[in-house]
This record gives sequence, structure tokens and C-alpha cells, in this order.
Amino acid sequence: DIQMTQSPSVLSASVGDRVTLNCKASQNINKYLNWYQQKLGEAPKLLIYNTNNLQTGIPSRFSGSGSGTDYTLTISSLQPEDVATYFCFQHNSWPTFGSGTKLEIK
Amino acid sequence: EVQLVESGGGLVQPGRSMKLSCAASGFTFSNYGMAWVRQAPTKGLEWVATISYDGSSTYYRDSVKGRFTISRDNAKSTLYLQMNSLRSEDTATYYCTRWGRPFDYWGQGVMVTVSS
Repeated sequence: DIQMTQSPSVLSASVGDRVTLNCKASQNINKYLNWYQQKLGEAPKLLIYNTNNLQTGIPSRFSGSGSGTDYTLTISSLQPEDVATYFCFQHNSWPTFGSGTKLEIK
Repeated sequence: EVQLVESGGGLVQPGRSMKLSCAASGFTFSNYGMAWVRQAPTKGLEWVATISYDGSSTYYRDSVKGRFTISRDNAKSTLYLQMNSLRSEDTATYYCTRWGRPFDYWGQGVMVTVSS
């Protein structure tokens, strides 16, 4: 199975900051990489699909990039409502998720 | 509006069975593959099983193969997960999700606790 490693595991930033979350695959996943946001007590929500495509209804401050084994999720200006855990997910082969990055406000 | 509503969870003893259901609405259910994803308490997400749009193909993670069965009834727009020989490590919130982009819409989840 493809292993997905997210870093950092916890990120603390201030409102208005530009924030970058990282996800590294154990092998090339051909940009079949999604990002999900999960707020406490809620189901995950799709933010980005296939590396850089913004899901309908998601604010434009979220963006994704990457290729091969390395991918990033960027929030251009952190908002209080962005407090959540973010998971990356690959569907190039048997589906696997990263372990998550917990995003906090300083 | 896409809606996925799971039901059927609860407390079950190790070795027993449980069947989860997921009622779908707001989209043409028969056009989409569907899946179950679970999340153990305070843990990450784990794909469990996927079924094709017409039910002809199914896929499972190794740890549930031979114990869990994913199925669907397109006439009722409902997805199922039959879980047999349950183990403590199956304790989790189980989410029904649409294989759109994939996993573009999720239900609210249903808790399954395997304990004596």
C-alpha cells in the first residue's frame, strides 16, 4: 500500500497568515491527491481534488499543488473558521489517507 | 442537495454481526460508485470498501476481507455494509461516501462499538 505522510502533525498560526500543509507519498501517485477538512465532531469535507482543483463552494483562499510524491495545501489567509484537521488522500491505487495535520489559531 | 444518511450502528459483542445502511438522495445514486470509510476514536481515516455504480465490482481492505460485505440497492438508493465476525479493532465511526472525485460527499457517520 502507498503510505501518506503529512507534516507537520500540528500547526499553530495567526489569523491572516499564509499556511502550508505538506503531504508526501511513498511512491508516485500521479496527482491523484485530494485534501479534506474535518472539523471537530463533523464528517470530512472535500476541499481539493486531483491536486489542484477546488471543490464547488470552497473558498478561493484554499489551493493545492504538487506532483510525483510531494503535495501541498495552502491557505492564503488563515481564518478562524479554518481550525480543523486536514487529511490528504491518494486514489492512484488502493485508497489511503494521511494521518492528518491539526491546524490551530495562535 | 446531496444527502447521505447512515443508520444501524450501536454496541455489539465481539464475534457478532451488524448491518449498516446509508440512504442517499439529491443525486442519481445508480450513476456513482460508493464506499465506506471509518475512523477509530481520535484516529485518522481508513478506507474500508468500495462498490461500483451497478454493484458488479467490490473492493475491500485486507483487514475486513472475508468478514465485511458491501452491497447496494439502486431501486432504493441505499448502500449497505454487512459486518460479520466483528473485532474490537473494528470500533469506529463509519462514514458512507460517494465515489465522485472520489469521496466528494459524506454522511454524518454512525458509531459502531465492538465490546463485551
